[in-house]
Amino acid sequence: EDKVVQSPLSLVVHEGDTVTLNCSYEVTNFRSLLWYKQEKKAPTFLFMLTSSGIEKKSGRLSSILDKKELSSILNITATQTGDSAIYLCAVPNTGTASKLTFGTGTRLQVTL
Amino acid sequence: EAGVTQFPSHSVIEKGQTVTLRCDPISGHDNLYWYRRVMGKEIKFLLHFVKESKQDESGMPNNRFLAERTGGTYSTLKVQPAELEDSGVYFCASSQEVPLYGNTIYFGEGSWLTVV
Repeated sequence: EDKVVQSPLSLVVHEGDTVTLNCSYEVTNFRSLLWYKQEKKAPTFLFMLTSSGIEKKSGRLSSILDKKELSSILNITATQTGDSAIYLCAVPNTGTASKLTFGTGTRLQVTL
Repeated sequence: EAGVTQFPSHSVIEKGQTVTLRCDPISGHDNLYWYRRVMGKEIKFLLHFVKESKQDESGMPNNRFLAERTGGTYSTLKVQPAELEDSGVYFCASSQEVPLYGNTIYFGEGSWLTVV
């Protein structure tokens, strides 16, 4: 069965700090790894990673995949209070990408 | 363009009662998914519709859960009778086609269910 583990479970930082969130996975046939941000309700898509070592970047957020280590990291630089959210990592099921396996998420709180 | 909408946003029911959750996918999306997150656990897949057909219902926990998508538009998820362990957030999602990599699935805000 596919498995995704995220760490840390929760994190409190001060505005301006840089944070690194971790995601490790076990899948029979890797297809992609997805990062989502869940602020209040709907998880919203951040990044899709398919190739090792290629950084995806969007503003202060960036992510990279390491297929050898079966892991990914999500970096947020110069954090702002608006970055406070649950960050979810997911992988599509071996059989079909319509079925996603999620980690428990990392709850990030950015304080002033 | 309207996103995936779910109703009700919150529901509190007593154990043994019935609750029906509704999901309206993004217009034109043939694929509709139900996921749920129970307290302290990860979001888990329940089932996948392609139009009105159940493509994959491997995640449905037991026969107290019934999902329908008559006409291939909106979907309902009925829990009958509800148990305490059914409490959680039920997410609906949709995509236009069966995704290749998973990045084209759009989630709704969820229906929060509390069974007391």
